[in-house]
Formats: sequence, structure tokens, C-alpha cells
Amino acid sequence: GAGVSQSPSNKVTEKGKDVELRCDPISGHTALYWYRQSLGQGLEFLIYFQGNSAPDKSGLPSDRFSAERTGGSVSTLTIQRTQQEDSAVYLCASSWLEGEKLFFGSGTQLSVL
Amino acid sequence: GQQVMQIPQYQHVQEGEDFTTYCNSSTTLSNIQWYKQRPGGHPVFLIQLVKSGEVKKQKRLTFQFGEAKKNSSLHITATQTTDVGTYFCAGSSSNTGKLIFGQGTTLQVKP
Repeated sequence: GAGVSQSPSNKVTEKGKDVELRCDPISGHTALYWYRQSLGQGLEFLIYFQGNSAPDKSGLPSDRFSAERTGGSVSTLTIQRTQQEDSAVYLCASSWLEGEKLFFGSGTQLSVL
Repeated sequence: GQQVMQIPQYQHVQEGEDFTTYCNSSTTLSNIQWYKQRPGGHPVFLIQLVKSGEVKKQKRLTFQFGEAKKNSSLHITATQTTDVGTYFCAGSSSNTGKLIFGQGTTLQVKP
């Protein structure tokens, strides 16, 4: 595709429910990153993939968070048993190679009620 | 772990004044990148610096990478209202592709 695509753009869920966020990177980009941004805050690193492998998962806030990437393309970020503090914008970005310039998607605004 | 600190957090300037944001890393970086995020938007790549002491210019924007490759700065000359937004630096260490962002500097420009 022309850019990084994320879905849904908005997600409202109830506390305790599971949510799945999807990221479709730019075709051919080998590296894929997930960040979280709370209102008015910076970008908090969650995880990155090189191909289908995740060399660094250190940013995942708890074991309720998991992510996978299949076929070196689409990635999903799953949050189990959502909590109110999970409310934020979840941004996905991709790059040709790890460490190179990132192209960001428009993000998923997650609201946990 | 690797940390990237950015100051100031906020800056309000009169249109036409200059603006500078500073970025410091706790570890030596292989490269540093700068991004701009407009209100309601997502971060957009501005530039990447790789070499020690490197200086790059984009019109009114000047980017510097420190000699020790642990700090960087972005300077905007004669700000315009279109410069409004949050500027982030992001760095990665040589042994990892993990890109850590600073907290960002939010620039407000009064016309």
C-alpha cells in the first residue's frame, strides 16, 4: 500500500475485554515498530520486529500485551483484560531496515471504559 | 536501559524568533533521527544524522549531531506559525534496531 495502515482507527472497549490492533506496513519494509502515546506525552517503545522475529520485547508493559507478525508483513498487537491505564494512541511504524527512518500510521485511539 | 532525554518540554516563541531543542542520550548512538508531529497527527520523519559532528540544514532548520554521538540539537531560525508542533528526537544504539524517542518539545508560535 501507499502508507502504513492501522485498524481500527478508534476502539472503545470495556475494562477486562481483550482487544486486537492491526498494522499493515508499507510493502517491502522489513522492520515494524509499535509505540504507545498517551495524551500530550512522548512515544513509548513497545516492541519491534525484524521480519517475523521480535529481537526486543522489553517495552511491553505487562504480560497482558503480546504482538506477532506473520509473513513479514501484517502485525497484530493484542491486549488482554484491558485496563483503563491502557487507554492511549497505539502507533505502528515501518522501515526498510531496522534503525532507518520510520513511516508512521495514523494510529489506533484506544479508550478503555 | 537506553534513555533519550529532550529539553525543553515546551517552548512558546513570538513569530520570527529562533527556537532550539536539545536531545541527550545515556548511550552512544549509531544514528539520530528527528520527527515532527503536528497537533492531531502522527510523527513525520525530518532527517537522520549518522556521523560524529555532522551538521545538516533544511531551509530554516539546522540539525547537529554531537562529536561523542550522544547528543543532538534542532535549531529553527525565524520561526513561522507553520512550525507549530512537537519535535521528537529518536536514537538507536549500534547493536540494536530499537529506536527510542525523546519526550518531545512542543513548540507554540504566536503570530
